[in-house]
Amino acid sequence: EAGVVQSPRYKIIEKKQPVAFWCNPISGHNTLYWYLQNLGQGPELLIRYENEEAVDDSQLPKDRFSAERLKGVDSTLKIQPAELGDSAVYLCASSLVGQGSTDTQYFGPGTRLTVL
Amino acid sequence: AQTVTQSQPEMSVQEAETVTLSCTYDTSESDYYLFWYKQPPSRQMILVIRQEAYKQQNATENRFSVNFQKAAKSFSLKISDSQLGDAAMYFCAYRSPYNNNDMRFGAGTRLTVKP
Repeated sequence: EAGVVQSPRYKIIEKKQPVAFWCNPISGHNTLYWYLQNLGQGPELLIRYENEEAVDDSQLPKDRFSAERLKGVDSTLKIQPAELGDSAVYLCASSLVGQGSTDTQYFGPGTRLTVL
Repeated sequence: AQTVTQSQPEMSVQEAETVTLSCTYDTSESDYYLFWYKQPPSRQMILVIRQEAYKQQNATENRFSVNFQKAAKSFSLKISDSQLGDAAMYFCAYRSPYNNNDMRFGAGTRLTVKP
């Protein structure tokens, strides 16, 4: 079974430029998460989707960050414009919530963003 | 809000020896889930072990086992017969079944395995 796929793995941009990250969850998983991981820290949730609906986006800086999950499968996280402080690793995870599942989250390899 | 504390930023173990990583958490909930994830330099977070709070029996997965002390809010990870491939960052995580399945991570412990 394929795991969570993310692209790109690395991205270097100049400040004020836009950037987008893509995530393809594990097949059949109804819940998708985007996390931000700063160097030397644990991941912090940015947004959580159940199918197409964003059910928790309280930590997403909405002035510059946006996300979408069309058709309840793939998701895109966008930053526009990027700031120096956005340099971090962006992790995507997915899980199967309900239906007697364990709700365990499985993570992708992340995208390392460097803003110059 | 729940918090997760990993008090050991770095740990080191000799190959084939046993090491224990500490984790404590703060919660007022009675039902929850606890996890240990491993993150090697490739950055892929890999699930090591999972524990449901309502289960008194400590979870085990091959060389990995936990010591879950609910009253003390402690959830340590023991790695037996350490291997070079165990070297990684280890994150303890707490998940609430009530608050949108919100998961909180500790700051991590970097484990080094010496040959």
